[in-house]
Amino acid sequence: AQTVTQSQPEMSVQEAETVTLSCTYDTSESNYYLFWYKQPPSRQMILVIRQEAYKQQNATENRFSVNFQKAAKSFSLKISDSQLGDTAMYFCAFRDYKLSFGAGTTVTVRA
Amino acid sequence: ETGVTQSPTHLIKTRGQQVTLRCSSQSGHNTVSWYQQALGQGPQFIFQYYREEENGRGNFPPRFSGLQFPNYSSELNVNALELDDSALYLCASGTWLATDTQYFGPGTRLTVL
Repeated sequence: AQTVTQSQPEMSVQEAETVTLSCTYDTSESNYYLFWYKQPPSRQMILVIRQEAYKQQNATENRFSVNFQKAAKSFSLKISDSQLGDTAMYFCAFRDYKLSFGAGTTVTVRA
Repeated sequence: ETGVTQSPTHLIKTRGQQVTLRCSSQSGHNTVSWYQQALGQGPQFIFQYYREEENGRGNFPPRFSGLQFPNYSSELNVNALELDDSALYLCASGTWLATDTQYFGPGTRLTVL
C-alpha cells in the first residue's frame, strides 16, 4: 500500500512571499503519478499541479512549482508570490488506480 | 468549475438509518470514485466504479455500497449509519487511465447524530 506523509500541519506566509510544502511517499512502483490538490473553505478539491514519475523535469503551473526527487521519494510544492486566495488546505496525493492522500497542510496567507 | 456535481450539500441522519448520496460526473468520464474525508484529515478512498462495475475498494465495510449508471451518475449508499460515518463525502470522476486527473465534486457533508 502506498503511504503519503505531509509533516507540516500548518504554514503561515506573508502575502507576496514564497512558501514550500513538503511531502514524502512510499511505493515500490516505478511508474506513478503525483498530485497536489487545494481545498479552500468552500470544500471543493481543486487540482493544483501534476507530476509524472517518469519525467525528470519538475512540473510548473504559473506560481506553483514542484521539486520532485524520485530517489528520495519526495514531492514538495512551492507557492511563489503568495496571494490571499491561496489560503486553503493543500493535499499531496499518489495515484495508482486510486488517490492516496496525505493528512494535509493548512496554508494561511497574511495580508 | 469541474462539472462534477453532488447532492445534497448537507444531510443529517440518526444512527442506524440509511443514506444515499448522489454524484453526477463530468461528460466523457467513465470512472467515478468515492472518498470519505473526516474533519481535518485527508480523504480516504472508499471505492471506484468503471463501466457500472466496482473495480477497486478501500478499507470500508460492506455497508458502504455504490452504483454507477449508464449516464455516468453515481450513488453512494451507507446502511446502518454509525456516529463515525459523519464526514465529508467526495466523488471524483475521470477516465480509465492512470495518467488521468480525477476531478472532484463539492462534496456532501453528512452528520450522524
